[in-house]
Amino acid sequence: NAGVIQTPRHKVTGKGQEATLWCEPISGHSAVFWYRQTIVQGLEFLTYFRNQAPIDDSGMPKERFSAQMPNQSHSTLKIQSTQPQDSAVYLCASSLDGDWGVSAEQFFGPGTRLTVL
Amino acid sequence: AQKVTQTQTSISVMEKTTVTMDCVYETQDSSYFLFWYKQTASGEIVFLIRQDSYKKENATVGHYSLNFQKPKSSIGLIITATQIEDSAVYFCAMRAHTGNYKYVFGAGTRLKVIA
Repeated sequence: NAGVIQTPRHKVTGKGQEATLWCEPISGHSAVFWYRQTIVQGLEFLTYFRNQAPIDDSGMPKERFSAQMPNQSHSTLKIQSTQPQDSAVYLCASSLDGDWGVSAEQFFGPGTRLTVL
Repeated sequence: AQKVTQTQTSISVMEKTTVTMDCVYETQDSSYFLFWYKQTASGEIVFLIRQDSYKKENATVGHYSLNFQKPKSSIGLIITATQIEDSAVYFCAMRAHTGNYKYVFGAGTRLKVIA
């Protein structure tokens, strides 16, 4: 089991450019989560998918950020017109279908460090 | 809405001693999961231990154990016989049992274990 895979590990973009971050969840996990981590804000929830369907995107900035999960093996987070304040580590996590009696722990990927110049 | 609060920003302890990290939570859900995660200096976030709200007994995994006090909405993490490699940031988190799988994380407590 390779764990959650995130690519790229580091990305540098210029202000106004687009950034696409990729996540491959653990095989068999039905829930995929995206977080953003900064020193100031800490670990912030962005959005999550369950069985590829978007369930909760309450943490997503309404403009410029979008997330998709076109199949069960990968999810993408896209940031349009990146701004310096978007600089952060973006973390993807996955978990099993965690209702009663089933494991609910999240397993995190190594993150993508985005730097917007 | 759910909320998780970790009031201890940073703790330093001597190696081989026991440390307790505090966490209090707020929720309207009748059943929920509580978790502790560890983030190492490399940035890796690792699941440590979990408590189901309907279980009265405190969870224990290796040298990690929990002090679950449901009436106080409190879930403390206890690390016994601390080691240098326990130095990390520890996050408390919660999630409802069913329905919305969204996690709510606390701000984290930085633990430094001194030789």
